[in-house]
Amino acid sequence: GQQLNQNPQSMFIQEGEDVSMNCTSSSIFNTWLWYKQDPGEGPVLLIALYKAGELTSNGRLTAQFGITRKDSFLNISASIPSDVGIYFCAGARYKNYGGSQGNLIFGKGTKLSVKP
Amino acid sequence: ETGVTQTPRHLVMGMTNKKSLKCEQHLGHNAMYWYKQSAKKPLELMFVYSLEERVENNSVPSRFSPECPNSSHLFLHLHTLQPEDSALYLCASSQYRGRTSEQFFGPGTRLTVL
Repeated sequence: GQQLNQNPQSMFIQEGEDVSMNCTSSSIFNTWLWYKQDPGEGPVLLIALYKAGELTSNGRLTAQFGITRKDSFLNISASIPSDVGIYFCAGARYKNYGGSQGNLIFGKGTKLSVKP
Repeated sequence: ETGVTQTPRHLVMGMTNKKSLKCEQHLGHNAMYWYKQSAKKPLELMFVYSLEERVENNSVPSRFSPECPNSSHLFLHLHTLQPEDSALYLCASSQYRGRTSEQFFGPGTRLTVL
């Protein structure tokens, strides 16, 4: 089946540092989404991207829809302790021409740990 | 209540038990989903309901039985489960038609099968 490769799998950073992670696929997607999951909770939608090249921000988070439509990137600036969690990318593609979006395909996640 | 709620949050059951997971969405969406989340694996889609009709069953064993009585409620009935079915079960909702793929998740039910 389709797979999304998400990197890195985990990272430790100092508070205040910037963080970058990415998601790549061998297939084209029409939509890229980024979620964050805290321990014991469900994923929370952070950013949704619908257009190749699109750059969208949500506070200290910025995500980009890759030009090739096969990848997406998430950056977190000036990280703080509450950024700890697992970040998931998810992609979707149209089921048919001009039709509804297909189901989401998820990456395995990037586990972010911040040293206070 | 707001968003997507799930009950119970934790469930421990024996292999011969029958139990049900409940999900309710307060977002006015018309599609609901069940996912399984196991350690070290991506989220696995189990079932999709659109307008209360099941539109996808992702090769899930028959010991998992979904039910969607209306667009706001989704159940997952469990019977004769196996220990490998222990996982976090997540419910999500969205608008099924149109441009958006944005799914909103509940907090999940942590299931342990003994």
